[in-house]
Amino acid sequence: DIQMTQFPSSLSASVGDRITITCRASQSSGNYLNWYQQKPGKAPKLLIFDASTLYSGVPSRFTGSGSGTDFTLTISSLQPEDFATYYCQQSYRTPYTFGQGTKLEIK
Amino acid sequence: QVQLQESGPGLVKPSQTLSLTCTVSGGSISSGDYYWNWIRQHPGKGLEWIGYINFSGFIYYNPSLRSRVTISLDTSKNHFSLNLTSVTAADTAVYYCARGSATVVSFLFDYWGQGTLVPVSS
Repeated sequence: DIQMTQFPSSLSASVGDRITITCRASQSSGNYLNWYQQKPGKAPKLLIFDASTLYSGVPSRFTGSGSGTDFTLTISSLQPEDFATYYCQQSYRTPYTFGQGTKLEIK
Repeated sequence: QVQLQESGPGLVKPSQTLSLTCTVSGGSISSGDYYWNWIRQHPGKGLEWIGYINFSGFIYYNPSLRSRVTISLDTSKNHFSLNLTSVTAADTAVYYCARGSATVVSFLFDYWGQGTLVPVSS
């Protein structure tokens, strides 16, 4: 299986901050990488697919980049509704696997 | 707007079979363009993909669960189902159903059910 490692595991930031979350794959995954946002008690929501393509309706302050083994999710100016847990997911090879999550908290 | 809704028993006893159904509205599961998935999340933990089924006949199970999992489609009811046999406390999780879509490059989960917590306990 391709192991996905996210860092940091948790992050404290303030409204208006710019933050970056990193996801590293245990083997090259092309740009077969998606990002999800999950709020407590809710299902994950798709944010970005194909490493850098913004899903419909997702604000442009979210950007994704990377390819191969290293990927990043950047939020340019944090809004109150962005405090959540973020997961990366590879679809280069089955079984599809997720990172362990990065919890973004308000400072 | 596609919506998915999980249903099933609220509690399963150890060694029994966990059975869940996902009812799809706003779209047909008979479309060969989509894959119908089950994903679980252990309490306070990350996400684990269980597997998918497609109307065209594609089925894939995560090898970690393959010996115990069956996913099936019922087109007459526009729903799909998960059976997980011989459950233990380690199978206690929130179970999500989700629609999978293949892009030119990757495979993503674009619509999710709200999730259902299934405790395994005697």
